[in-house]
Amino acid sequence: AQSVTQLDSQVPVFEEAPVELRCNYSSSVSVYLFWYVQYPNQGLQLLLKYLSGSTLVESINGFEAEFNKSQTSFHLRKPSVHISDTAEYFCAVTLNQGAQKLVFGQGTRLTINP
Amino acid sequence: GAVVSQHPSWVICKSGTSVKIECRSLDFQATTMFWYRQFPKQSLMLMATSNEGSKATYEQGVEKDKFLINHASLTLSTLTVTSAHPEDSSFYICSARVEGGRGGWGTQYFGPGTRLTVL
Repeated sequence: AQSVTQLDSQVPVFEEAPVELRCNYSSSVSVYLFWYVQYPNQGLQLLLKYLSGSTLVESINGFEAEFNKSQTSFHLRKPSVHISDTAEYFCAVTLNQGAQKLVFGQGTRLTINP
Repeated sequence: GAVVSQHPSWVICKSGTSVKIECRSLDFQATTMFWYRQFPKQSLMLMATSNEGSKATYEQGVEKDKFLINHASLTLSTLTVTSAHPEDSSFYICSARVEGGRGGWGTQYFGPGTRLTVL
């Protein structure tokens, strides 16, 4: 079975500072990887995904994540955060076969301070 | 594109009543939808996989008779919480999977969620 670990439950940073949200996964077979963002009282929005190809994937709002197979990681980064980035971020994995159910990490609450 | 809606966005009901939550894919067809439950400040827990035209597949520990799922069309899945009790109070989120994509796999798009409060 797959599992996802987000090492930080909360990450406070100052506006315009860089941030990294860590995600490690465990799986005996190939997986697809995702980052979702959840704003207060809303559902999840897909931020970015890795299916195959280039290990560095980017979102339209400046986030990027790099798939590292040897370290089984998919950390999310942004060089300069804004107040509007305050949200809960979830890392998720799924097998690239079968029912393709998503397995989520525990979530990381990113708080941006002015 | 790939918008998923849920209705209602919030509902308050009395203990013992049943509540139906709708999940719709607005601009695409989804043969597979998923229902999740999220407790405050926690991650999403998959409850069941809803397949159009067939029975839902429930995760271990989820009561089939309590959480009835119907996927009658390619754009609509419903979750009915029967004989609701206060412990059923939660945030329920659905997702719909876009078919195809690279490697034959589709991305899940999530609805905005429904907050259920049982008094």
